[in-house]
Amino acid sequence: KQEVTQIPAALSVPEGENLVLNCSFTDSAIYNLQWFRQDPGKGLTSLLLIQSSQREQTSGRLNASLDKSSGRSTLYIAASQPGDSATYLCAVRSLSDSNYQLIWGAGTKLIIKP
Amino acid sequence: NAGVTQTPKFQVLKTGQSMTLQCAQDMNHEYMSWYRQDPGMGLRLIHYSVGAGITDQGEVPNGYNVSRSTTEDFPLRLLSAAPSQTSVYFCASSYSPTGVYTFGSGTRLTVV
Repeated sequence: KQEVTQIPAALSVPEGENLVLNCSFTDSAIYNLQWFRQDPGKGLTSLLLIQSSQREQTSGRLNASLDKSSGRSTLYIAASQPGDSATYLCAVRSLSDSNYQLIWGAGTKLIIKP
Repeated sequence: NAGVTQTPKFQVLKTGQSMTLQCAQDMNHEYMSWYRQDPGMGLRLIHYSVGAGITDQGEVPNGYNVSRSTTEDFPLRLLSAAPSQTSVYFCASSYSPTGVYTFGSGTRLTVV
């Protein structure tokens, strides 16, 4: 059964720093992986989707990488800003699931200090 | 604005009461799903639908019913509310099961 882990559960860094958020999964046979952002009291916003054949995806200051063999994905945020403060979740679709349901990590709560 | 609309945003129920959480999308997405989010846990899938008239159970379906009579609407029914159903509920839609999801803003439900 696929399991997704995000460590740490919370992270606080000063504004301007580059930072990396981690996501690990136990079954490397995945279809794709998504990173989401969740602001307090709001829904989730999709940030990046990486297909299993891809190594990375970029959107603005965000870069997500995928290493299936090690069961890891990282979300790199460059030049962090207070507006980046949110909870970041990753979710995986496994090839073993015929319905390709998303399996979710519990998220990393990121606080960017001004 | 196009997107996923959930109502209500907040609800307090007494144990044993029933209610329906509404979800509507205007993007002509075939795939819709309901999740619950509890503190310290990832989202868990309750029910999903791959198109009008087709629904299936997710990871935690007990105590919930769904129907999909139109492409746009996917309501979630709580049959007899229990304190264990206190949670934040999210509806999501996508053009396909493997595509990018669009989420609603959520319903915060408290069962007392």
